[in-house]
Amino acid sequence: EAQVTQNPRYLITVTGKKLTVTCSQNMNHEYMSWYRQDPGLGLRQIYYSMNVEVTDKGDVPEGYKVSRKEKRNFPLILESPSPNQTSLYFCASSPPGDRGTYEQYFGPGTRLTVT
Amino acid sequence: KQEVTQIPAALSVPEGENLVLNCSFTDSAIYNLQWFRQDPGKGLTSLLLIQSSQREQTSGRLNASLDKSSGRSTLYIAASQPGDSATYLCAVINQGGKLIFGQGTELSVKP
Repeated sequence: EAQVTQNPRYLITVTGKKLTVTCSQNMNHEYMSWYRQDPGLGLRQIYYSMNVEVTDKGDVPEGYKVSRKEKRNFPLILESPSPNQTSLYFCASSPPGDRGTYEQYFGPGTRLTVT
Repeated sequence: KQEVTQIPAALSVPEGENLVLNCSFTDSAIYNLQWFRQDPGKGLTSLLLIQSSQREQTSGRLNASLDKSSGRSTLYIAASQPGDSATYLCAVINQGGKLIFGQGTELSVKP
């Protein structure tokens, strides 16, 4: 089944404790992206990647890191999480614009709470 | 900077009504526009994608239109059902892959 998977689905952690949220897709998509969703602020793009070893900042990259060492995986890293990073996080993938439509396929989400 | 606005923020209709959700964007240099549905606490389900060269797309009871020059898209839902109750989101994406979402319209269809 074609899908985007995220792990963990739920995470409660403490301020300053490094964490990684994994994202993996099995559709051979070049493009992958991370978003956060907050009440009243909607969905905002954190980082995106057009291909392996290529990443770009979205609208809210502060406090996050990403890496794209292989096509199927795009982990989101919080080096020193803070309570304002408590949010619902989504990963998405799509075929690229030049050979596709950038149609976004979303993962199920990761609910992160930082205390 | 691209801004995406969805009006209304919330909508309540009786079952069976036809309805229109609106999405407007400030920069017409978009690559495509995508409509999503989100149920409470759940992920996003893609409904329709319109490429910048297209005027509309249809899927079942859903029809989405795009007018790039005026910066508008509409999602038309025919014969609404209680199962259509959800939040509907539009998102525009530019050539470089940057994606901006609207705030969404929360739809409630009453039996």
